[in-house]
Amino acid sequence: GESVGLHLPTLSVQEGDNSIINCAYSNSASDYFIWYKQESGKGPQFIIDIRSNMDKRQGQRVTVLLNKTVKHLSLQIAATQPGDSAVYFCAETVWARNDMRFGAGTRLTVKP
Amino acid sequence: EAQVTQNPRYLITVTGKKLTVTCSQNMNHEYMSWYRQDPGLGLRQIYYSMNVEVTDKGDVPEGYKVSRKEKRNFPLILESPSPNQTSLYFCASSFGAGPGELFFGEGSRLTVL
Repeated sequence: GESVGLHLPTLSVQEGDNSIINCAYSNSASDYFIWYKQESGKGPQFIIDIRSNMDKRQGQRVTVLLNKTVKHLSLQIAATQPGDSAVYFCAETVWARNDMRFGAGTRLTVKP
Repeated sequence: EAQVTQNPRYLITVTGKKLTVTCSQNMNHEYMSWYRQDPGLGLRQIYYSMNVEVTDKGDVPEGYKVSRKEKRNFPLILESPSPNQTSLYFCASSFGAGPGELFFGEGSRLTVL
C-alpha cells in the first residue's frame, strides 16, 4: 500500500547550524502535508503545514518545501537550538478525507 | 487552557481484561481521532470521529471500539486486550471535519501482559 516514509531515521547537528529533515510520500493524490514535532514524553505538536498548490511555506525559523514532481517534502530549521531536539514526523492526507498518514519519524539531536 | 486530556497515562494490564482509555477535549472540536505509536511505524490511526455519533475505522481498528456520545469525549475501548496491543496511544482533535492541525494528548502507555 501507499505510505509516508522518511529518508533518515536520525539526524545530528551542531547548535546554530541549519537542519534539513526529509520525507518521501507515495500517494500522488495527497494534497495536504503537515510537519509535527514530538518531544520526549509528549504528544506531537503542529509545526507547519503546506497545501499542494504551494512549493514553499515559511514560519518562524522553519521552512517547508514541497516537490510534487518527486513526491518529496522537507523541513528546514534555521539556526538549530537544543530545544529543537525531538522526533519530527511528516504527515499527508487528501484534503477531502480524514485519514492523515504519518511517517515513521526522524530523531533530531542538537549538539551544543 | 486548551487541551486534550487522556487517562490513564500509564497502565499495565493482563490479557483479556477489558479496559477503557478516556479522551476529553475542551476546544469544542468536531473531529477526534485515536492513534497508536509503535517504534519504526510512526503513528497509525485506529478510529476517528467527525462529529457526535459518527465514527469510522482508521488503518488498524481490529481489537478496538470507540464511541462518541458527546462532542468533548472519545473513549477508546479494548474489550479483550492482547499483548500485540501493547503500545503508546494518542488521542487527537481538530476544529473542522476536514484535515487541519491536530491537537494531541500527552499519550497513554499501555502494556498488556
